[in-house]
Amino acid sequence: DTGVSQNPRHKITKRGQNVTFRCDPISEHNRLYWYRQTLGQGPEFLTYFQNEAQLEKSRLLSDRFSAERPKGSFSTLEIQRTEQGDSAMYLCASSPGTSGGTLAKNIQYFGAGTRLSVL
Amino acid sequence: KQEVTQIPAALSVPEGENLVLNCSFTDSAIYNLQWFRQDPGKGLTSLLLIQSSQREQTSGRLNASLDKSSGRSTLYIAASQPGDSATYLCAVRGVMDSNYQLIWGAGTKLIIKP
Repeated sequence: DTGVSQNPRHKITKRGQNVTFRCDPISEHNRLYWYRQTLGQGPEFLTYFQNEAQLEKSRLLSDRFSAERPKGSFSTLEIQRTEQGDSAMYLCASSPGTSGGTLAKNIQYFGAGTRLSVL
Repeated sequence: KQEVTQIPAALSVPEGENLVLNCSFTDSAIYNLQWFRQDPGKGLTSLLLIQSSQREQTSGRLNASLDKSSGRSTLYIAASQPGDSATYLCAVRGVMDSNYQLIWGAGTKLIIKP
């Protein structure tokens, strides 16, 4: 296992189109997170899964955004009717959660991200 | 609402120097604080995690300290190398924040000149 994998790495789309991103976490990790990062800023939390359950959703996640983790493994993030303001880097992270020591289970491991450009 | 600030936004130093990066947070009720490194085109790499009960953590040439009462953390890099050039971000998980959400600073872009 080589870490958290995100696909695609880059996505260019026209305003109004729908896009879907995929995240494959580290295989034994049961927690999965999505963040959004704009240039010169730190990441902003979007949503969090423990196994297949979506336990937290940020107010940043409008009705046009939806995330799933159907089998508790990979996750998808879909943006419907994209807007130019959606242009950002979308980051996925996973953490061990219930396994490992106190420190280890809280460390989040990040993928390289999907850069979205909405024209 | 927790706010995390990193100053300066950018820093350039000659190779070999020791340096300190700063992170401050407004709400001292935190569960832990993490320092990350971000390279262009790559994801974030966790460098050090400090639990709220700890004062510091060390990994190789890196040492992170935490003063929860004053809302500050520092990342000390010894004997800097050009390969240390990256953006360094700190993130806190607050006691009141729901389920493992991290609140991030905007980062310090570090350039080590050969």
